Amino acid sequence: QVQLVQSGAEVKKPGASVKVSCKASGYTFTAYYIHWVRQAPGQGLEWMGWINPKSGVTNSAQKFQGRVTMTRDTSMSTAYVELSSLRSDDTAVYYCARGWHEYGDHGRGWMDSWGRGTLVTVSS
Amino acid sequence: DIQMTQSPSSLSASVGDRVTITCRASQNISKYLNWYQQKPAKAPKLLIYAASSLQSGVPSRFSGSGSGTDFTLTISSLQPEDFATYYCQQTYTIPDTFGQGAKLEIK
Repeated sequence: QVQLVQSGAEVKKPGASVKVSCKASGYTFTAYYIHWVRQAPGQGLEWMGWINPKSGVTNSAQKFQGRVTMTRDTSMSTAYVELSSLRSDDTAVYYCARGWHEYGDHGRGWMDSWGRGTLVTVSS
Repeated sequence: DIQMTQSPSSLSASVGDRVTITCRASQNISKYLNWYQQKPAKAPKLLIYAASSLQSGVPSRFSGSGSGTDFTLTISSLQPEDFATYYCQQTYTIPDTFGQGAKLEIK
C-alpha cells in the first residue's frame, strides 16, 4: 500500500532553516508528484509547492519563493522540503502528499495519499 | 491567486441528515476542484477529485458536483465518522489554493 513516512518533529530558532523528509513506498516514486502543504495551529491548509520526482522540476507558491527548496533522492524514494529564514509564523504541521497531475508540470490534479505530518516549531 | 470561499464555515447536523457544503471560486476553474476531509490531529483525506469523481474507498454517500465557479459536496446520510472539517481545493491555476474549511459538528 502507498505510504509516505515523514521525519520527526523539529524545534528551530528564528532565522534558522529546517529540512523535512518524506519517504515514499508502495508505488513507483517517479510516477507521481510530491506536494507540500502546511497547517498552522488551529488554521486551515496552505499549499506550498510540488516537486516532480522524475525530473526534479519544482513549482512553489510565490509566498515561499526564495525561502523554500524542494529536492528529491530517487535512490531513496525520498522527497525533502527545506524552509529557510524561519519566523514564528512558520510554526505549523508540514505534510507531504502524493499528487497526480492531468497536465504534468502544468498541474491540474489532486493529492491522494498524505504523510502524517511533521510539526515544526519556531521559537526563541 | 484564486480565492476559494466555503459556506457555511461551520454547521451542526444529526446522524442521518443530508448535508451540503458549498465552495465558490473567485474565477472559473473548470472541473479542477477537490474535496478533502480532515479529522483532528490527522492528515487530510481525499474524498472527491475533479469536482465529481469519488476517490477509491470513499463511501458512496459522499458526492460532488459543479463546474466553473460553484461546487457542492453532499453527504447523503451523515454517519458518526463523518464529523470532521472539510476543505475544497482548486488546482486549475498555480498556486493551488484551499478554502478556509467547513467544520461539521454533531447537533
